Amino acid sequence: EVQLLESGGGLVQPGESLRLSCAASGLTFSGYAMTWVRQAPGKGLEWVSSISGSTANTYYVDSVRGRFTISRDNSKSTLYLQMSSLRAEDTATYYCARLVGGGGIDYWGQGTLVTVSS
Amino acid sequence: QPVLTQSSSASASLGSSVKLTCSLSSGHSTYIIAWHQQQPGEAPRSLMKVERSGNYNKGSGVPDRFSGSSSGADRYLTISNLQSEDEADYYCETWDTNTRVFGGGTKLTVL
Repeated sequence: EVQLLESGGGLVQPGESLRLSCAASGLTFSGYAMTWVRQAPGKGLEWVSSISGSTANTYYVDSVRGRFTISRDNSKSTLYLQMSSLRAEDTATYYCARLVGGGGIDYWGQGTLVTVSS
Repeated sequence: QPVLTQSSSASASLGSSVKLTCSLSSGHSTYIIAWHQQQPGEAPRSLMKVERSGNYNKGSGVPDRFSGSSSGADRYLTISNLQSEDEADYYCETWDTNTRVFGGGTKLTVL
């Protein structure tokens, strides 16, 4: 059974940094592209970033490009999202998810809440 | 990049059927989309992918009551024999070479 377990969320002040992790199990991690999706309180889903399986190509939504960095450690089956220069509008639950061949999300994690507030 | 449009809300009676729509923007009518369900207070759950042809591929454990279809730039999710647990937000998703987008979501109320 595929399981994705996010961690690292919390309360930070504007301008600070935070690193999210997503531990994967039940899959050959290196064989899959992965993605981060966020959901602000009471709002819809927003794609944040994606990373390919082994070649580590990375992609970002414009609002986080230059501030967030997605990475992965295939030896640890773990996905990361390094977030810097955080803003109030980055407040959201962050989900990691697996991308199935062909492009869509097929498995989601349970999410981790990031709150940016002074 | 593609844009997905969904109605903000829908409602249907217990035991009836409902058809939710996800519309692809002009120039993107051939795109595959995915449907996801998010029950209140829960993480999203993937339901299926729907192709331009109308073929759909459901995830494991998704009940037979859920089906997909397509017409032109519209992709549909049909839920038959509605149950109380189907009350949820439903999002469609599509993707391009270096981006992916979600529709605004449809809040389904089971009466």
